[in-house]
Amino acid sequence: DTEVTQTPKHLVMGMTNKKSLKCEQHMGHRAMYWYKQKAKKPPELMFVYSYEKLSINESVPSRFSPECPNSSLLNLHLHALQPEDSALYLCASSQVPDSGTDTQYFGPGTRLTVL
Amino acid sequence: QKEVEQNSGPLSVPEGAIASLNCTYSDRGSQSFFWYRQYSGKSPELIMSIYSNGDKEDGRFTAQLNKASQYVSLLIRDSQPSDSATYLCAVSRTGGFKTIFGAGTRLFVKA
Repeated sequence: DTEVTQTPKHLVMGMTNKKSLKCEQHMGHRAMYWYKQKAKKPPELMFVYSYEKLSINESVPSRFSPECPNSSLLNLHLHALQPEDSALYLCASSQVPDSGTDTQYFGPGTRLTVL
Repeated sequence: QKEVEQNSGPLSVPEGAIASLNCTYSDRGSQSFFWYRQYSGKSPELIMSIYSNGDKEDGRFTAQLNKASQYVSLLIRDSQPSDSATYLCAVSRTGGFKTIFGAGTRLFVKA
């Protein structure tokens, strides 16, 4: 099973709202990722968790706050977003790269609109 | 120079033809190479991964890797209208978490 699930599928929020995106995988992967993708652009890495610890933060603004409660779950907490943050937010998971394979599997994404 | 370069297209081929998608990369330390297919408004779906020089076949898809030329390609045989999508080439170093994506090539298969 190579399934990564994400909720919600769509989210509309105002600039003063607080919301969270959720991601879950049951493939035993110990690396999980958040990407942001704008229309007609490739996915842009935001955060990487390895063994539930934050390994990479690609200088993402603090209005995005990631959390990895356990090896299967990844959250992205959103607060005081701007309209330009509207995008498709993708979660992915993989084996940790030094295990010999680093293929990333993507979830279906959350389409976020900030009004 | 971009780290991973792809022709943005659109590449238009008739149904039943072979579609050839190309990708070059700049980091000679790259060890893992991936092709993803992405339909409009959907998430990327893994088509193929390749790690060694040469060809790797999976059904109608063949990935080709030439590390000396820093070149990876994807051939789609017997193209179908359902293959119409954006194809993303992605590259990573062994032991690294960062996968670098190309901008993608849009493929149209005409019925």
